[in-house]
Amino acid sequence: QVTLKESGPVLLKPTETLTLTCDVSGFSLYNTKMGVSWFRQPPGKALEWLGHSFSNDDKSYKTSLKTRLTISKDTAKSQVVLIMANMDPVDTATYYCARVRKAVSGPRDDFFDMWGQGTSVAVSS
Amino acid sequence: QSILTQPPSVTGAPGQTVTISCTGSGSNIGAGYAVHWYQHLPGTAPKLLIYSDSNRPSGVPDRFSGSKSATSASLAITGLQTEDEGDYYCQSYDNSLSAHHVVFGGGTRLTVL
Repeated sequence: QVTLKESGPVLLKPTETLTLTCDVSGFSLYNTKMGVSWFRQPPGKALEWLGHSFSNDDKSYKTSLKTRLTISKDTAKSQVVLIMANMDPVDTATYYCARVRKAVSGPRDDFFDMWGQGTSVAVSS
Repeated sequence: QSILTQPPSVTGAPGQTVTISCTGSGSNIGAGYAVHWYQHLPGTAPKLLIYSDSNRPSGVPDRFSGSKSATSASLAITGLQTEDEGDYYCQSYDNSLSAHHVVFGGGTRLTVL
């Protein structure tokens, strides 16, 4: 059974750094046909892709957030970590991790077939 | 403002059929990139409903179907059930200078009366 579970702080102050962990089970981070992506959803707004990490250390980030984001993984621990620097109240959201399935037609057609329940993060002074 | 445009809400009665549209442009759906659909029910994790335009993952009922044409895609739900009530998102890839990554629609809230 494939599961993903996000964990991390519930409340941060502006300018602090967010560190979230995604614990995965039921599949291996060594699997070359899969990866893990991070997303967020601000209250009342749409889903937003943040970035992804694959087994070969290939990483990609949302263009507008690239300078603030780092995704790393500990394959042996089956964990993928999202770090977002310089948090602001507008970053208040539910953050999700999901498994990426590589599409046969190419990386731009990849999709997300299993998701975590999400973890809520609030940024406030 | 999302790069992919969805209607904010759709409503249907149990047993009826609804269609949710997802309109893009030449830098995403119109460029031939696949469209995927997700269901997000209250208090649950998002769920993949349709991948690569029209394929259903194992376990997704055939009441859900997807299609794509030119710069738009659609999700059709037949035989509406009360448990279908929730939010639906389309997703694709955008290759414009301002995006060049995964993009989602703004989401559509489905209400089953």
